[in-house]
Amino acid sequence: EVQLLESGGGLEQPGGSLRLSCSGSGFTFNSYGMNWVRQAPGKGLEWVSAISGSGLNTYYADSAKGRFTISRDNSKNTLFLQMNSLRGEDTAVYYCAKEGGYKQPFDLWGRGTLVTVSS
Amino acid sequence: EIVLTQSPATLSLSPGERATLSCRASQSISTCLAWYQQKPGQAPRLLIYDASNRATGIPARFSGSGSGTDFTLTISSLEPEDFAVYYCQQRDSWWTFGQGTKVEIK
Repeated sequence: EVQLLESGGGLEQPGGSLRLSCSGSGFTFNSYGMNWVRQAPGKGLEWVSAISGSGLNTYYADSAKGRFTISRDNSKNTLFLQMNSLRGEDTAVYYCAKEGGYKQPFDLWGRGTLVTVSS
Repeated sequence: EIVLTQSPATLSLSPGERATLSCRASQSISTCLAWYQQKPGQAPRLLIYDASNRATGIPARFSGSGSGTDFTLTISSLEPEDFAVYYCQQRDSWWTFGQGTKVEIK
């Protein structure tokens, strides 16, 4: 079955760190760019970060630059998002999403993992 | 940074009616626009890519049009399962989403 499954969310204090993981199955993982998209409670979608299939190229939204790091382990079909210096405004459901091809929209999404930043 | 502006914010319609959703880009993006549907508690689902191509498994009642800066998603006859929030998305240097249009039951 073609699917993405996120994990690693939870409650963290402001200034803390979390590492999200996303496991892919049912497709050739290293052939596709992958992304993290978040959605704050009751709000719209916000793209966070992207990584190329090889892992050599990474991209970040301004809100993530300098604090978040995207990476992937193609041998384990897994995508990561290391989040440091967390803020209250980082509270959101974090989705991983697969690009449909080079610079193509996201044709596969995970169910999301909730990150709550609060003291 | 390219900004996508969706209108209206909310569309109140009855089943069987036609829905017309708009997405305007702050500068030309050719046809590099996608549409997604999101229902409560679910991940978004890709409906349309490259402005007018339906994604796999998407019913024919969904259609997309437009190029440059003005785009439209049309649902020809609303089914009960179509009441949801719809987002447009583009990629320039990076991905951006519109703020969403909620299609609600009148």
